Amino acid sequence: EVQLVETGGGLAQPGRSLKLSCVGSGFTFNNYWMSWTRQAPGKGLEWVASISDSGDDTYYPDSVKGRFTISRDHAQNTLYLQMSSLRSEDTATYYCSRVAVYYGSLLRGVFDYWGQGVMVTVSS
Amino acid sequence: DVQMTQSPYNLAASPGESVSINCKASKSISKYLAWYQQKPGKPNKLLIYDGSTLQSGIPSRFSGSRSGTDFTLTIRSLEPEDFGLYYCQQHNEYPFTFGAGTKLELK
Repeated sequence: EVQLVETGGGLAQPGRSLKLSCVGSGFTFNNYWMSWTRQAPGKGLEWVASISDSGDDTYYPDSVKGRFTISRDHAQNTLYLQMSSLRSEDTATYYCSRVAVYYGSLLRGVFDYWGQGVMVTVSS
Repeated sequence: DVQMTQSPYNLAASPGESVSINCKASKSISKYLAWYQQKPGKPNKLLIYDGSTLQSGIPSRFSGSRSGTDFTLTIRSLEPEDFGLYYCQQHNEYPFTFGAGTKLELK
């Protein structure tokens, strides 16, 4: 059974940093692209970052580019999201997700498994 | 960025009924649209991708269709477990973008 478990959320002051982790199990972590998506309280979903299976390629929307860094540790089956220069608008639940593959073809922006999410609050 | 306009915002229906949720892209995304279901306390669930391809394990009462930049999620014969939030998302280009969501409620 595929499982994704996020940790590391909490309260951070504006301008500070926070690092989220997501441990994957039930699948060969090294073989999959991974992503982060967030949801502000009472709002919709916003894609935040994606990383290739090798970790060599990363992608971000403009809203977080230069402030957030996605990375992965294959030995630990863990995905990370380093968030810096945090703003109040970064307050959200952050979800880790696996990027779908269909018969060996990468479905780049399709997220077939999601974690339960971790809450990040940015406030002074 | 591709804007995704989803409608209706709220939808009330009864078990056994059929409903449709719409999503319009601000420009061509070819067939590359996904639908997700969100329910409290559960991981988000992928229902459909590539506009009409049913994700493995999803019941056949869910279906997706496309006409140009307009996409529709149809749920036939609603079951009690179908009530929740639904989001469309374009997966044609970066940044991937979502619709605002549709809340499907029990009438």
